[in-house]
Amino acid sequence: SQTIHQWPATLVQPVGSPLSLECTVEGTSNPNLYWYRQAAGRGLQLLFYSVGIGQISSEVPQNLSASRPQDRQFILSSKKLLLSDSGFYLCAWSVSAKANYGYTFGSGTRLTVV
Amino acid sequence: EDQVTQSPEALRLQEGESSSLNCSYTVSGLRGLFWYRQDPGKGPEFLFTLYSAGEEKEKERLKATLTKKESFLHITAPKPEDSATYLCAVQLSGGYQKVTFGTGTKLQVIP
Repeated sequence: SQTIHQWPATLVQPVGSPLSLECTVEGTSNPNLYWYRQAAGRGLQLLFYSVGIGQISSEVPQNLSASRPQDRQFILSSKKLLLSDSGFYLCAWSVSAKANYGYTFGSGTRLTVV
Repeated sequence: EDQVTQSPEALRLQEGESSSLNCSYTVSGLRGLFWYRQDPGKGPEFLFTLYSAGEEKEKERLKATLTKKESFLHITAPKPEDSATYLCAVQLSGGYQKVTFGTGTKLQVIP
C-alpha cells in the first residue's frame, strides 16, 4: 500500500534561518507531488507541484523553493525564513495524470518562525 | 476567478442532530469535486470525489451530492467522532490537474 512520510512534525526556527522539510512516498512510482501551506482561518494554498524528477512548478512567488531529487522525494527549502512563513505545511501526492481519487496528504509540519 | 466557498464556517450539533454543509463554486470547467476531513494537527483525509451534477456518494453517516453550482455534505445522526473540519476542493478540467480548496467548515458534535 502507498504511504507518505513527512517530517519533522513541528519546528520552531528563528527569523533568517534556513529551512528544509522533507517528504517521501512509498508504494508508488512517478507520483505527482505537492507542497501546500495552511494558515489559520485560510484554505490550503498550493506552493509547488512536481510531475517528475527535477520538474518543479511554483504557484505563488515567495521566499520558498522546492526540489525533487528522486522520484518519490520532495523537499521544501528556504535560505532565510520570514515571520510570514509560519504555518502548517502539507505534502501530498496523487497518481500521475489521474487525481480523480484525490490527493493523499502527509501528517504535516507545524512551522513557527520566531 | 475560480472560487470555492464553504458555509457555514463553523457548525455545532447535538449528537443525532442531522445537518448539511455547503460548498459553492464558480469555476470554468469542473473536472471533479472532492470532500476531505481534517482532524486538528493532521493532514486532510480523502472522503469522496464527485464528477457530475446529480451524482451522490455515501460513507457511513456522510452523503455528498453535487449540482452544477454547489455540493452538499449531509451528516445523518452525527456522533462526537464526526467532529472535524470538512474541506471541499475542486479540480479544473484541461491541462495540469490544479485543485483549489475552500476554507472548510469546522464541525463540532456535542454528546
